[in-house]
Amino acid sequence: QKEVEQNSGPLSVPEGAIASLNCTYSDRGSQSFFWYRQYSGKSPELIMFIYSNGDKEDGRFTAQLNKASQYVSLLIRDSQPSDSATYLCAVNRYDYKLSFGAGTTVTVRA
Amino acid sequence: EAQVTQNPRYLITVTGKKLTVTCSQNMNHEYMSWYRQDPGLGLRQIYYSMNVEVTDKGDVPEGYKVSRKEKRNFPLILESPSPNQTSLYFCASSEREAYEQYFGPGTRLTVT
Repeated sequence: QKEVEQNSGPLSVPEGAIASLNCTYSDRGSQSFFWYRQYSGKSPELIMFIYSNGDKEDGRFTAQLNKASQYVSLLIRDSQPSDSATYLCAVNRYDYKLSFGAGTTVTVRA
Repeated sequence: EAQVTQNPRYLITVTGKKLTVTCSQNMNHEYMSWYRQDPGLGLRQIYYSMNVEVTDKGDVPEGYKVSRKEKRNFPLILESPSPNQTSLYFCASSEREAYEQYFGPGTRLTVT
C-alpha cells in the first residue's frame, strides 16, 4: 500500500467550475498535510497546508482534512486556465519523512 | 531573494562515474531534503537532514549519500551512478520538518 494515494486523473473541468482533488494516506500518526502545485517543467510550490480536522479556505482554494478517515482533499473554485497543473498531496509522517502522492493533473478548459 | 539553488541543472554522465549535485539555501532553514521525481511515481524522498551533522534515510536512499557540514549546504552524492538513477532531482528546505518545503529548480540527471 502506498503511503499517499491520489485520484489518478487527469481531471478536466470547464472554466469557472469546481475542481475536486482527493488524497488518502496510510500513516495514522501523520500530523501535517500539504497541497503543492507543479506546472510542467517547474518546481512544486505550496498552495495550502492543513493540520486540524475540518476545512481551511484561502481565496479560491479550500483544503479539507478528516483524520479519522485518513483523507484530505482540495477544492478549487471558479477554476481558471492558469490552474492547469499537476497537484501533489504531501503528508508529513510521524518519523519526520515527507511522502508525496503521484499527483493529479488538472486541465481547465476555456 | 530567498531561494534554494541547485547545480548543475542538467547532467549527462556514464555508469560508475562519481558525481555530486550541490544544493544551497539562504533562508537559514534547519530541515533540508532531497527528492527524485519519476513519471507515475511522484516525488520520493531520498535523504533528509534535520540540522547540521544530522541526516537520515528517506524512502529511496540506496545508491545515494549526503552530508550536512554547514546549515546552508546539502550536497547529494552518487558514488557509482547507474541507469536506474536517471531522474529529475529536487532539493528542498524548510524551517522545520512539518513546515512548507521550498524547492530548488531541479536537476535532470541522465546516466547512460
